Amino acid sequence: GNSVTQMEGPVTLSEEAFLTINCTYTATGYPSLFWYVQYPGEGLQLLLKATKADDKGSNKGFEATYRKETTSFHLEKGSVQVSDSAVYFCALSDPWGYNKLIFGAGTRLAVHP
Amino acid sequence: NAGVTQTPKFQVLKTGQSMTLQCAQDMNHNSMYWYRQDPGMGLRLIYYSASEGTTDKGEVPNGYNVSRLNKREFSLRLESAAPSQTSVYFCASNTEKGRVYTFGSGTRLTVV
Repeated sequence: GNSVTQMEGPVTLSEEAFLTINCTYTATGYPSLFWYVQYPGEGLQLLLKATKADDKGSNKGFEATYRKETTSFHLEKGSVQVSDSAVYFCALSDPWGYNKLIFGAGTRLAVHP
Repeated sequence: NAGVTQTPKFQVLKTGQSMTLQCAQDMNHNSMYWYRQDPGMGLRLIYYSASEGTTDKGEVPNGYNVSRLNKREFSLRLESAAPSQTSVYFCASNTEKGRVYTFGSGTRLTVV
């Protein structure tokens, strides 16, 4: 079945460091891929998305490229800020299952000054 | 403001009690979903409704029932709450093409 695997956290970085959070997926068909962010005490917000192979999603300095050959959608940011501290979820949309979202377990990011 | 509205935001239940979580969206979306979030497990789908009048089980449906009352509203009912249902519950809706999801702010439920 469809699934998403993302790197375990927590990830702890100093401000201005480079961030990578790995995400790989298993899916039949051609899913859309998403990164969601959850700040402490809040709900989920869409960070970025990509709907087909080789698409690059980007937002707020974050970016991720839909790689069909490696079934990956790694999240990157060149210079993190303290305000980026949150839990990040990789997800895919199941195109054959009424577009249900299937989530990874989440990766907690802590950025220190 | 347009979006997904969930009520209540917090709830404490005793084991065996029942309650209904309410969800409403005003974006004219056809599909609606209920997820639960547990530490280290991401979000798991409980039930979904692809359109008004239809509902289907997701990954973890046991102990829950749902009602798609109309196009706007999708409720989740716990008939006899158990401590294992302590979780944060999120409602979501999306467009037909499935590429724009909107989440509610969540309901934090504790069963003691």
